[in-house]
Amino acid sequence: AQKVTQAQTEISVVEKEDVTLDCVYETRDTTYYLFWYKQPPSGELVFLIRRNSFDEQNEISGRYSWNFQKSTSSFNFTITASQVVDSAVYFCALMNYGGSQGNLIFGKGTKLSVKP
Amino acid sequence: EPEVTQTPSHQVTQMGQEVILRCVPISNHLYFYWYRQILGQKVEFLVSFYNNEISEKSEIFDDQFSVERPDGSNFTLKIRSTKLEDSAMYFCASRSLQGSQETQYFGPGTRLLVL
Repeated sequence: AQKVTQAQTEISVVEKEDVTLDCVYETRDTTYYLFWYKQPPSGELVFLIRRNSFDEQNEISGRYSWNFQKSTSSFNFTITASQVVDSAVYFCALMNYGGSQGNLIFGKGTKLSVKP
Repeated sequence: EPEVTQTPSHQVTQMGQEVILRCVPISNHLYFYWYRQILGQKVEFLVSFYNNEISEKSEIFDDQFSVERPDGSNFTLKIRSTKLEDSAMYFCASRSLQGSQETQYFGPGTRLLVL
């Protein structure tokens, strides 16, 4: 079975705090991709990052960083020094490679509220 | 920067009516998708489309749904006889075969309300 679990439904922080959004996935495939998307209040889905299953190197992009650990099937997302503009719902998603045409399996999302 | 566009942004319809949601994928992309998101819930896969035919569809994509690529640019989702539970945000996405080929880029969505 393929599944993405985002156990945190809602998180509320004060501006400038660091926050980590958790993502745990299940898949039988050895080749797969993991994604994070941001959905601001306006509703669109904004691509943040893609990771393939062979690349466990962590990535940093400005205030965003991602920690991919195959041993625990996790792909966590950290925002450093959060800002009000980070307030959104964040979705983790899984795509299996080969066979399927690449449809995404989404987690239920984590709603992040950053208060001034 | 190229982007996926969708029209209309909002649509209100009566139960039982047909609706057509339109999408213009990024021009050099070859895989197309429809997803839906019921208010407050997760994004769910509906259907994927490649080489002018459906590649994969979910359980949600029943006989009431159809997709079409009527010309070289548009990609449409038709719901033949809408039900109250079809009320949702519908997202179109497209994916390239080159470069970051695993990444799907989403349109802004069409918010459908069935009354």
